[in-house]
Amino acid sequence: SQTIHQWPATLVQPVGSPLSLECTVEGTSNPNLYWYRQAAGRGLQLLFYSVGIGQISSEVPQNLSASRPQDRQFILSSKKLLLSDSGFYLCAWSAQGASGNTIYFGEGSWLTVV
Amino acid sequence: GQSLEQPSEVTAVEGAIVQINCTYQTSGFYGLSWYQQHDGGAPTFLSYNALDGLEETGRFSSFLSRSDSYGYLLLQELQMKDSASYFCAVREGGGFQKLVFGTGTRLLVSP
Repeated sequence: SQTIHQWPATLVQPVGSPLSLECTVEGTSNPNLYWYRQAAGRGLQLLFYSVGIGQISSEVPQNLSASRPQDRQFILSSKKLLLSDSGFYLCAWSAQGASGNTIYFGEGSWLTVV
Repeated sequence: GQSLEQPSEVTAVEGAIVQINCTYQTSGFYGLSWYQQHDGGAPTFLSYNALDGLEETGRFSSFLSRSDSYGYLLLQELQMKDSASYFCAVREGGGFQKLVFGTGTRLLVSP
């Protein structure tokens, strides 16, 4: 069966510090990968998605970046965090093609920028 | 651009039936999904409608009308554990499943 894991689960970072959130998917190959952000009590905002290694699409301008160095690895990064970057970050995957109607989320990472 | 509208909050009592509506405007449409999210947790998939009509999965049903750009999630025999946020999401891409989520509806079930 397929599983998705992301880490760390929680982190508190000072303004201006770097960020790296990692996500891996097991049990499937060539998945579509996503990073979403959810502010407290708000909806899910799509930040990045990837259809393959090295292929990253950004949905919103921001000081975050994403990379996909391996087929089932997705990384969210920032060189200098802002207070507004605080939130709940969710990695997700879906299958390629018409069968990929469902998106599966990781456990999420709570980021607090102080 | 795309937009999805849902009520922000709905309250109901145990055993009741509740309907959560979703209207959408998107540049492309390949289906409407529903996700459930408990506080502090990740969203989990509930249902998907690609065609008009009703899809039933146990106590939950989902409906879609593409001509009206409208769908709803129907929850029957409500239980306390159904208290959560519910998100509708539209799939915009044909070959790529880009999902855009609504702002969510918080359901509060009381005894």
